[in-house]
Formats: sequence, C-alpha cells, structure tokens
Amino acid sequence: EDKVVQSPLSLVVHEGDTVTLNCSYEVTNFRSLLWYKQEKKAPTFLFMLTSSGIEKKSGRLSSILDKKELFSILNITATQTGDSAVYLCAAPSGSARQLTFGSGTQLTVLP
Amino acid sequence: GAVVSQHPSRVICKSGTSVKIECRSLDFQATTMFWYRQFPKQSLMLMATSNEGSKATYEQGVEKDKFLINHASLTLSTLTVTSAHPEDSSFYICSASSPQIYSNQPQHFGDGTRLSIL
Repeated sequence: EDKVVQSPLSLVVHEGDTVTLNCSYEVTNFRSLLWYKQEKKAPTFLFMLTSSGIEKKSGRLSSILDKKELFSILNITATQTGDSAVYLCAAPSGSARQLTFGSGTQLTVLP
Repeated sequence: GAVVSQHPSRVICKSGTSVKIECRSLDFQATTMFWYRQFPKQSLMLMATSNEGSKATYEQGVEKDKFLINHASLTLSTLTVTSAHPEDSSFYICSASSPQIYSNQPQHFGDGTRLSIL
C-alpha cells in the first residue's frame, strides 16, 4: 500500500524563523511529489517535484526531492503569520493517479 | 487556467436529507474527477474516482449506495450524500484531472463543501 508520511505533525514558531517540513514516501511507480498549503478551504498547489536534487523556489518557499532516500523537504524562510496553515505532501499513485496524502503539518507562526 | 468550481460551499440540513454537491471544470475537460472527505484535523481521504461516462471506483470502506457519484459529462461530476446523518458531517472536496493539464498539476481542486447534518 502506498504511503506518505509527514513530520512534524505540528510546529509553532515566531515570525522571522525558518522552518523545514519533512515528507517521506513509499509509492509504487513513483512519478512526482506535490506540496500543498491548506487554510480554511481546499488545498492550494505549491510545488510539483519530479527530479532529484533540483530545488524549486517560489518567494520564501522552496522544496527539493531526494528520490534515493524517498524524501522531500519544504523550507519556508523569514516566516510570516500568513504562512500559518496546514502543509500537505502528496504523491500520485495507482492507475488513476489518485493522490495519496500525508497527514499534514500544522504550522503556526506567532507574531 | 484549469479552474474547478464546487457548489455549494456550505450546507446545513436535517438528518435524513439527501444532499447533492456539484463539481465543474470551467475551462478544461476533466476525464477524471476525484472526491475526497476531510474530517477536522485530519488529512484528505480519497472516497472515489470517477471517469466520464463510467461507474465510479470507490475506496475501501466507502458505501457506494450512500455516496452516489455521477460523472455524466467531461465538465461535471456530482456527489449525492443520501439520507445524510450527523456522522456524514465533513468537508468534501472534489478535484479534476486530464492528460492535457497533468504536467503542470496532476489535479485541480474545488474550494470544498462544508456539510453539517443536524
């Protein structure tokens, strides 16, 4: 059974801190790994990673994939209160490419 | 591009009512649509996968007679929660996919429907 595991489950930091969120996976026929940010509504897409070692960056957020270790990290630098959310990691699996989600990391950024 | 509209965003109704949720792909043809359920402080759990014109494939533990899914066209899928009970209260999210958009994002999500059964 395909599995995506995230850590930590929750994290509380102060504005300006840098955080690293972790995602490990066991997926048959791995194609890609995705990161999402979820606030009160449905997840918002952040990154799709397909190749090892190539960092994807968007503003203060960046992510990288290690296909040998079956692992990805999401970094957020100079955190702001608006970064408070649940960050979800997911991988397409199965013939229909349905997404298997991790449990998410609840990030709280205090002013 | 690749916008998915989900309606309604919020439903509050009495136990025993059937509730229909619509999911539309506005600017692309969705060959596959997915329905997820999310309980408070938990992650998204896939309920079913539907392909246009064929029967939905339900995940283990999801009652197909309780959660009726119809994907009659390439732009519309509906989820009907039949005879809803308080334990069906949850956040329901749809997503849509097609080979044409897959390389950018595998799935595009609707905004979700928060269902509360009294």
